[in-house]
Formats: sequence, structure tokens, C-alpha cells
Amino acid sequence: QQQVKQSPQSLIVQKGGISIINCAYENTAFDYFPWYQQFPGKGPALLIAIRPDVSEKKEGRFTISFNKSAKQFSLHIMDSQPGDSATYFCAASQGYNFNKFYFGSGTKLNVKP
Amino acid sequence: GAVVSQHPSRVICKSGTSVKIECRSLDFQATTMFWYRQFPKQSLMLMATSNEGSKATYEQGVEKDKFLINHASLTLSTLTVTSAHPEDSSFYICSVPGLSSGANVLTFGAGSRLTVL
Repeated sequence: QQQVKQSPQSLIVQKGGISIINCAYENTAFDYFPWYQQFPGKGPALLIAIRPDVSEKKEGRFTISFNKSAKQFSLHIMDSQPGDSATYFCAASQGYNFNKFYFGSGTKLNVKP
Repeated sequence: GAVVSQHPSRVICKSGTSVKIECRSLDFQATTMFWYRQFPKQSLMLMATSNEGSKATYEQGVEKDKFLINHASLTLSTLTVTSAHPEDSSFYICSVPGLSSGANVLTFGAGSRLTVL
């Protein structure tokens, strides 16, 4: 059973537009929700993360929106740039159980110039 | 988070040979490291947890005799793909867990692309 469901699988956005990627989870014990950015041939890099005690976290052009009651969280990329073209993974974990880091299936973002 | 170095970035080998991939934590002593496998256009799948000074813990369905893990020091874990076959061709990524601002953070290496001919 997939612990974290991510959509869409791929996304094409024009430069300057808003990219939105959604994730949903079932396990209410999850208490840490990071987003990772991966460029081709590279390992994933932590982009931004949120804990369930806040509904939104913003870092530059990247914002996580978190809806605890709906068990959903999303990544918003404002003013999307071609350099943002990458694959994005959401994840969820519980406490300090690093071996229980569950990743979404990934979203390939293509920002058109 | 930690700084993680992974080597080699790419390796091509013949079927039946063994390949070793190294993962180093450059600025953090890691008693635990994780090895992931990623197929093209797919998510990361945890293969095993590497434990310094003890046996690795493998996820269900991962052959421990095929994927040998050694964590001989606090800064180095190695993954050896033994008797490699074309179906073992994949992208292997290690990660180091740590704490940053009270949050558990996984820092990944750059990955190793294995191609078995």
C-alpha cells in the first residue's frame, strides 16, 4: 500500500506561472513532510519541509500548504522558471524513524521558457 | 544536514561481475546510512539500512546476498552488487540521516548509475 500518493505524474508550466503538486497521506502519525527536488542524474535534495502544527511554510518562491484534516499537502512554485524543471518528490515520516521515510511517486515538472 | 559523497557516479560492468559503490559522510559521523534504488521515472525505494559495526537491515524482497552492505566506519558505507545481471541496472543512492532545527533530515548522495551489460 502506497503511504504517500502524489499527483500529477508530470506537469508543464509556462515561465512565470504557478506550479502546484499535490500529495495525500493516510497515516495520521506522520509528523514531518519534506519535499525533495531531483535533477536528472543527481540525488534528491531537500527543498522545503513542514510539520503539521502549521498550515503553510514559505521559502522564497516555494510554499508548502498543509491541510491536516484532509491529510493533504501541496507544493506551490511561484513565478516558475526553466531552472525549476526537475522531478519533485513529496515524503512523509514519523518521529525519528528515518527508515520509515515514505516517498511519493514523483512529479516531473517542465517549465517552458 | 550532512555532506554526502558517493562514488562512482557511473559504472558499466559485464554480467557476472561485482561492483562496489561507496558512500561517504564528509562532515558528519553517521552510525546509520540508507541505500535506495531508483528505476527510471520511478520513486525511491529503500533497499537497506546500513548500521555501523553491525549487520545491515534489509527491506522485504531485497536479496542480502546480492546486495552486500558494509559500514566499517562512521563515515563510510559500501554497497556491493554481487554477480550483477542486467536487471540490476539502476540508479543507486545513499543517504545520511541527521537532525536540523529539530527535524529529521535525509541528505542524499549524488547517486551511482549502474549499467550491467
